[in-house]
Amino acid sequence: DAGVTQSPTHLIKTRGQQVTLRCSPKSGHDTVSWYQQALGQGPQFIFQYYEEEERQRGNFPDRFSGHQFPNYSSELNVNALLLGDSALYLCASSHDWGTQNTGELFFGEGSRLTVL
Amino acid sequence: GNSVTQMEGPVTLSEEAFLTINCTYTATGYPSLFWYVQYPGEGLQLLLKATKADDKGSNKGFEATYRKETTSFHLEKGSVQVSDSAVYFCALWPFTSYGKLTFGQGTILTVHP
Repeated sequence: DAGVTQSPTHLIKTRGQQVTLRCSPKSGHDTVSWYQQALGQGPQFIFQYYEEEERQRGNFPDRFSGHQFPNYSSELNVNALLLGDSALYLCASSHDWGTQNTGELFFGEGSRLTVL
Repeated sequence: GNSVTQMEGPVTLSEEAFLTINCTYTATGYPSLFWYVQYPGEGLQLLLKATKADDKGSNKGFEATYRKETTSFHLEKGSVQVSDSAVYFCALWPFTSYGKLTFGQGTILTVHP
């Protein structure tokens, strides 16, 4: 049973560029959340997707956007990159909270973005 | 708003020592509480959880008790191993907020033989 997979694992961009990160959720999961983990910090919630719609969003600017596809996979897009966007971006999947509410998230290994 | 505060680290112990990592939280209502662990080069994994006051979560020799009166969820292990070296995150989920976990800043644990 494949867990959460993310790609790419590492990438380097320059300021002003755009980046797309990809995530495939654990089999059977329908909800995908994205987190940003700066060096030495805990993960910060970016947004969550369910049924191909953004259901909840954290305190991140509109430069951060996402998408969920019919197969539940998801993309995170960041435009106009800043040096401060350098971080590990984590994707997490889960069942929809309403009926199978365990509070547990399954995380991928992350995509490490470096902005120069 | 919701917040989680972990003891400042890093923590360095010898093998078989007793471990405590402190975690306190601020939240409205009755959140669920979690400990996640991040081994080098890996994603976060759920270590244990507790969903209501006085619940004790346990896994792999680790334990934590949900203390509502002190708003705490301290992680303990009686005898650590070198393989326990990792970063440990305390987190809360306020139940009403779908999948938005709020994490502490993490505590780096290093265990020496």
